[in-house]
Amino acid sequence: DAGVTQSPTHLIKTRGQQVTLRCSPKSGHDTVSWYQQALGQGPQFIFQYYEEEERQRGNFPDRFSGHQFPNYSSELNVNALLLGDSALYLCASSQGTGGASYGYTFGSGTRLTVV
Amino acid sequence: DAKTTQPTSMDCAEGRAANLPCNHSTISGNEYVYWYRQIHSQGPQYIIHGLKNNETNEMASLIITEDRKSSTLILPHATLRDTAVYYCIVSPTVRGYQKVTFGTGTKLQVIP
Repeated sequence: DAGVTQSPTHLIKTRGQQVTLRCSPKSGHDTVSWYQQALGQGPQFIFQYYEEEERQRGNFPDRFSGHQFPNYSSELNVNALLLGDSALYLCASSQGTGGASYGYTFGSGTRLTVV
Repeated sequence: DAKTTQPTSMDCAEGRAANLPCNHSTISGNEYVYWYRQIHSQGPQYIIHGLKNNETNEMASLIITEDRKSSTLILPHATLRDTAVYYCIVSPTVRGYQKVTFGTGTKLQVIP
């Protein structure tokens, strides 16, 4: 049973460019959340997708946008990259339906470096 | 969301129990306590969660005080592979989606 798959694992972009990161959730999961983790910090919540809609959003500018597809996979897009966007981007999936919470399954992340 | 307070770092001797405390004095009645850990350069890993009763699984035990204002994660026999940053999180349960906010966590160092 595959866990959460993220691609690419690493990439380098130039300031001002745009980037798209991809995430395939764990089998059976229908909710995807994205996090940004700067070096030495805890993961910061960007947004969460369920039923192809953004359900919750953290304190991130509109340059950060996302999408969820009918197969539950998701993309994170960042426009007009800044040096401060350099971080590990984590995708987490969960089973959104049902009354109980079952915890998130995280991918290994995409290491983005902006130069 | 309720905030959590954890010690910045802790040491534990290999083979001994590691007890990681967490304060969440503003927790709401519908909020669960979750624990995750993050080993260097990997994504966080879910460990355990609970609402009001103590919980145990193959990885750890979770002890929640009766007033739910604090909890303790117990790793019964710590190994070197348990060296990681441990995050205590409180999160509401909402049908269809939930929000999980991480703090700075506790860096646990297991010493040989």
